[in-house]
Amino acid sequence: NAGVTQTPKFQVLKTGQSMTLQCAQDMNHNSMYWYRQDPGMGLRLIYYSASEGTTDKGEVPNGYNVSRLNKREFSLRLESAAPSQTSVYFCASTRAGVCTFGSGTRLTVV
Amino acid sequence: GDSVTQMEGPVTLSEEAFLTINCTYTATGYPSLFWYVQYPGEGLQLLLKATKADDKGSNKGFEATYRKETTSFHLEKGSVQVSDSAVYFCALSANPNFGNEKLTFGTGTRLTIIP
Repeated sequence: NAGVTQTPKFQVLKTGQSMTLQCAQDMNHNSMYWYRQDPGMGLRLIYYSASEGTTDKGEVPNGYNVSRLNKREFSLRLESAAPSQTSVYFCASTRAGVCTFGSGTRLTVV
Repeated sequence: GDSVTQMEGPVTLSEEAFLTINCTYTATGYPSLFWYVQYPGEGLQLLLKATKADDKGSNKGFEATYRKETTSFHLEKGSVQVSDSAVYFCALSANPNFGNEKLTFGTGTRLTIIP
């Protein structure tokens, strides 16, 4: 009963480096999301995918790209990391409005 | 646009005290309302939900009632325990019945319970 699995759990990047955060869910949910969590700001939506083959921008998409590889997988890519992207990133999937979250990726950009 | 405003923390209470965390919302249409809880080092977990006006969500001794007239969804618990220490997020999903399942979150309230 894995739910939503995110990798890696921790990552340190240098400014300008790129990386991809991986996310997979085994609940057959159509909708998947990427959020970032910053102190005092709650969770903010970066991108979402309402179904396989579709992606849309959320509240804070700049500096990120996503790929909905199939129904299970939804990856988030940082092409050129910046210190402002230091955050905790959560992947989630949703059914009937109820969100199941992964355990998060703590990313530090130095 | 949609928004959620919740009581700022941190909140510190003694064990067995009564808890209220205020949450108000702004949304068009008929949103569903949620409380999520985040324990240290973990992702968010659904605590309770309500999908229409006057619904009461409840779980683990926590309750919240969907009040459309005051656009509120306050979280309450009659007697808190040390294990309730966590960050609590109020959230809404606008028009979930029409496929819009994106969640809008409040900023979170950190709760600490002292033995």
